[in-house]
Amino acid sequence: AQSVTQPDIHITVSEGASLELRCNYSYGATPYLFWYVQSPGQGLQLLLKYFSGDTLVQGIKGFEAEFKRSQSSFNLRKPSVHWSDAAEYFCAVGDDYGQNFVFGPGTRLSVLP
Amino acid sequence: EAGVVQSPRYKIIEKKQPVAFWCNPISGHNTLYWYLQNLGQGPELLIRYENEEAVDDSQLPKDRFSAERLKGVDSTLKIQPAELGDSAVYLCASSLGRAGDQETQYFGPGTRLLVL
Repeated sequence: AQSVTQPDIHITVSEGASLELRCNYSYGATPYLFWYVQSPGQGLQLLLKYFSGDTLVQGIKGFEAEFKRSQSSFNLRKPSVHWSDAAEYFCAVGDDYGQNFVFGPGTRLSVLP
Repeated sequence: EAGVVQSPRYKIIEKKQPVAFWCNPISGHNTLYWYLQNLGQGPELLIRYENEEAVDDSQLPKDRFSAERLKGVDSTLKIQPAELGDSAVYLCASSLGRAGDQETQYFGPGTRLLVL
């Protein structure tokens, strides 16, 4: 069964600083990888996804993520964080039928002014 | 285009009472998911529908939870009776399913349940 780990429970960065959120997955075949963001009291919003092709994917709100098969990782990055980016970030893995969708435990991002 | 709609947004009930949550997926989305999200954790799948058929309900606690999607569009998730441990956020998501981009799920705002 697939699994997702997000090693960092909570990260604090200063506004304007760069950000990297880590995600590692375990999956037997080619994974379908996603990053979602959840603001307080809100549902999950899709930031970006990777299915195949270019391993560096661009998403909304200036986020990008890089798929590294050798490291089983799909880390999320942003060059300059804004205060509005403070939220919970979830990495998820699924298969090509939308089945077996598994979320990581999430990383809470705090942004200092 | 309207997103996934859920109601109510918040619900407070006493233990042993029944409760129901409603979800209307994005128009044209054949696949519908119900997730449970406990505080500080990622969502966990309860049940997945392909049209009106429940194709994965292995994680649904069937002694007290039930769900239906009678016409393959909107869906209801019910808990009867509710227990204190059911306090959580219940998320609904939908995807195009086999009609297209079946891998990407779009989520509603969730229903936050508090059982007293």
